[in-house]
Amino acid sequence: NAGVTQTPKFRILKIGQSMTLQCTQDMNHNYMYWYRQDPGMGLKLIYYSVGAGITDKGEVPNGYNVSRSTTEDFPLRLELAAPSQTSVYFCASSKGQGASLNTEAFFGQGTRLTVV
Amino acid sequence: AQTVTQSQPEMSVQEAETVTLSCTYDTSESDYYLFWYKQPPSRQMILVIRQEAYKQQNATENRFSVNFQKAAKSFSLKISDSQLGDAAMYFCAYRSALGTSGSRLTFGEGTQLTVNP
Repeated sequence: NAGVTQTPKFRILKIGQSMTLQCTQDMNHNYMYWYRQDPGMGLKLIYYSVGAGITDKGEVPNGYNVSRSTTEDFPLRLELAAPSQTSVYFCASSKGQGASLNTEAFFGQGTRLTVV
Repeated sequence: AQTVTQSQPEMSVQEAETVTLSCTYDTSESDYYLFWYKQPPSRQMILVIRQEAYKQQNATENRFSVNFQKAAKSFSLKISDSQLGDAAMYFCAYRSALGTSGSRLTFGEGTQLTVNP
């Protein structure tokens, strides 16, 4: 009963480096999301996906890329890391549309990323 | 676009007392869902309670209840008999019922709740 699994939990990057944050869910959810949470702030949507092969930008997509080749996986790619990308990153999933919209979104444990 | 506002960055309550956290939102939609999430120091996001906008009855979950005022676009969370384990950051969140934009959740900036023994 894993739910949403994110790796790694912590990471320090140097400016200009790249990395991929992994996210996988085992609930057969169609919808997946990437959020970032800056200190003392709420969560802001980076990218989302409504199904395999379909992704779209959220509020703060600059500096990030995503892909969704399978229902289970939704990796987030950071290219040319910048100090402004220092944040906690959350992956989430939910069932999708219709009556299931009132159901909760399930979140991973988060990745704390520091760019120095 | 919808916005969610939590005007209380920090709140404190004595153990066993009652506290109310405020949330207002702005939307032009008539059908939507509202949620309160709890984030303890572990960072895990935990759903506390949910409310469907078409329901007039306020949702309750054990010690947690909401005061949903649709006309005022207000959605406050009341925690009764506060316990030390309730200490956390609380987020109010909005989700459209239209299914647009991936049915995203829009979050407020959070209220840090401290429970004093």
